[in-house]
Amino acid sequence: SQKIEQNSEALNIQEGKTATLTCNYTNYSPAYLQWYRQDPGRGPVFLLLIRENEKEKRKERLKVTFDTTLKQSLFHITASQPADSATYLCALDERDDKIIFGKGTRLHILP
Amino acid sequence: GAVVSQHPSWVICKSGTSVKIECRSLDFQATTMFWYRQFPKQSLMLMATSNEGSKATYEQGVEKDKFLINHASLTLSTLTVTSAHPEDSSFYICSASRAGGGSYEQYFGPGTRLTVT
Repeated sequence: SQKIEQNSEALNIQEGKTATLTCNYTNYSPAYLQWYRQDPGRGPVFLLLIRENEKEKRKERLKVTFDTTLKQSLFHITASQPADSATYLCALDERDDKIIFGKGTRLHILP
Repeated sequence: GAVVSQHPSWVICKSGTSVKIECRSLDFQATTMFWYRQFPKQSLMLMATSNEGSKATYEQGVEKDKFLINHASLTLSTLTVTSAHPEDSSFYICSASRAGGGSYEQYFGPGTRLTVT
């Protein structure tokens, strides 16, 4: 069956360091992958989309890589700040009108 | 731009009653809206996909007679939980994609916390 795994439930990173989150998938060939941020009690907020033919994408302090051979995406936040603390979700397209989400990684940036 | 609202933000109801949740795209037209449910520390699970003017498409295992979805206009979709039970208590989140946008970049509402007592 199809599966999305985000490497850890929770991750603690010292302020100023780079946070790296991992998303692995099996039994998929997604056309694109997305990353979202979700704060407690709130809906997800779209951050970045990367297509299967793109290796890397950047937006301000965020960087996403997509390795379709390894079936893995890495999400980096450089110069992390306490305000970056949140749950980060990766999502893949399963079919034209549906995306499925991983469970998310709770990121804590420690001051 | 691309703001989605939900109402109410939280609701408590008694077992056996029905609850309606509204999802509105405030500054764009959404041909497709999605309804998700999220349990604590779990991922968002898609319940149904709703296209304006047509019947919703429900995911496997989601009871269409229990979770009634109406997408009456390009800016409004409603989810009605009928005969709610405590196990229906969850965080319900809608999202909308722009006309012609498919499911790329879904814009999510803030969610509705439903508690059934």
